[in-house]
Amino acid sequence: AQSVTQLDSQVPVFEEAPVELRCNYSSSVSVYLFWYVQYPNQGLQLLLKYLSGSTLVKGINGFEAEFNKSQTSFHLRKPSVHISDTAEYFCAVSSGGGKLIFGQGTELSVKP
Amino acid sequence: DTEVTQTPKHLVMGMTNKKSLKCEQHMGHRAMYWYKQKAKKPPELMFVYSYEKLSINESVPSRFSPECPNSSLLNLHLHALQPEDSALYLCASSPAGDETQYFGPGTRLLVL
Repeated sequence: AQSVTQLDSQVPVFEEAPVELRCNYSSSVSVYLFWYVQYPNQGLQLLLKYLSGSTLVKGINGFEAEFNKSQTSFHLRKPSVHISDTAEYFCAVSSGGGKLIFGQGTELSVKP
Repeated sequence: DTEVTQTPKHLVMGMTNKKSLKCEQHMGHRAMYWYKQKAKKPPELMFVYSYEKLSINESVPSRFSPECPNSSLLNLHLHALQPEDSALYLCASSPAGDETQYFGPGTRLLVL
C-alpha cells in the first residue's frame, strides 16, 4: 500500500525568505508524484508533477521539487516566497489506476 | 477550453431534499473523479469513471449516486443526506494514459 507523509502541518515564513515543504512517500512500485496548492475556498491547482525523466521538476509560480528515489522524498521549494503564496499545499502519489493518495497537507503562512 | 467547471458553487439542502452536482470538462479527458473534502483535510476519493464507466466506488453510501451521461459530463445525485455530508465536493479529470488530475473549483455543500 502507498502512503504519503507531509512532515510539517504548518510552515510560517517571512516574505522573500526561501521555503521547503517536505514530503515523503512509501510505495513498493514505481510512482508518479504531484504537488497541488489550494487557496482558501478554491479547488486544487496543480503546481508540478514528476512522471519520469529529470528528477528536478519546475512548476508554476516559481516552485520546484526534486524527486529522490533513495530517500523516497519529493520536497517542494521556492527561493523567495510572496504573501500570495499563503495557502494549503498537498503532496500526492499515484501508481496508476486512477487513485491519488494525498498527504495531510501543509499550511504555508507567509508573513510581511 | 482548459478547465473543469462545477455547478453550483454553493448548495444548501435539507435532509429530505434531492439535488444534483454537475461537473464538465471539454479537454477530451477520459477519466473523471468525485472527491469529498472536509475542512483542513485532504480530498477523499469517492468515485472514478473511466471511458464513461464506473471503475472505482470507494464504498460510498448509496445516498450519493454518480452518473456519467457522456465523456464531458459528470453528475453527483444527492438524496437524504446527513449533516455530516456537509463538505466541499471536488470534481477532477485526467487525460488518457496520464495520471495527472485537474480539479474544478468545487461545490460547497451544507446539509441542514
